[in-house]
Amino acid sequence: NAGVTQTPKFRILKIGQSMTLQCTQDMNHNYMYWYRQDPGMGLKLIYYSVGAGITDKGEVPNGYNVSRSTTEDFPLRLELAAPSQTSVYFCASNAGQGGSPLHFGNGTRLTVT
Amino acid sequence: SQKIEQNSEALNIQEGKTATLTCNYTNYSPAYLQWYRQDPGRGPVFLLLIRENEKEKRKERLKVTFDTTLKQSLFHITASQPADSATYLCALGGESGGYQKVTFGTGTKLQVIP
Repeated sequence: NAGVTQTPKFRILKIGQSMTLQCTQDMNHNYMYWYRQDPGMGLKLIYYSVGAGITDKGEVPNGYNVSRSTTEDFPLRLELAAPSQTSVYFCASNAGQGGSPLHFGNGTRLTVT
Repeated sequence: SQKIEQNSEALNIQEGKTATLTCNYTNYSPAYLQWYRQDPGRGPVFLLLIRENEKEKRKERLKVTFDTTLKQSLFHITASQPADSATYLCALGGESGGYQKVTFGTGTKLQVIP
């Protein structure tokens, strides 16, 4: 049982480049999330989705885009990468009911130089 | 605005002792609180859930308390082991805008010394 799988694990981008962070889950969860984690700052929600075709902004959505064409996949797109987007990105999913545990992938470490 | 505070300094304890981690919050009335464990280079892993109407929850060597008057949760690991060394995150959750919003603290790093 793979759970939540994220690719790539590491990536270095130059300023202005674009990339897509991939996330897929095999637990048939309706809810999926993208977080970023910066040292001393905790996890911040970027975007979330409550089901295929439905996405919405979290706390820090600027500079990012998402899509949700299937239940399993929730890619995060970075357009025109900036140094402020250097971070560790985590994808998560859950069943969506109050209190249901979040299942996280192991993250993508992104550096923008 | 909502604020969640966890000890930013690492907590060092001797093996076999009880580790106690705190999570304080302000400007928030969460419906539930969760604790996660995070190892270096890995995503957080869910440990325990406690709801606003519950005072205490236990799971094996783990115990969580939730005091909505003090706006505080305590997370205890009894008979701690070096394998318990990790960063522990508290997260507060509740309904917000049609979805279950979960807000994370910054985490406390626990080091169990053999």
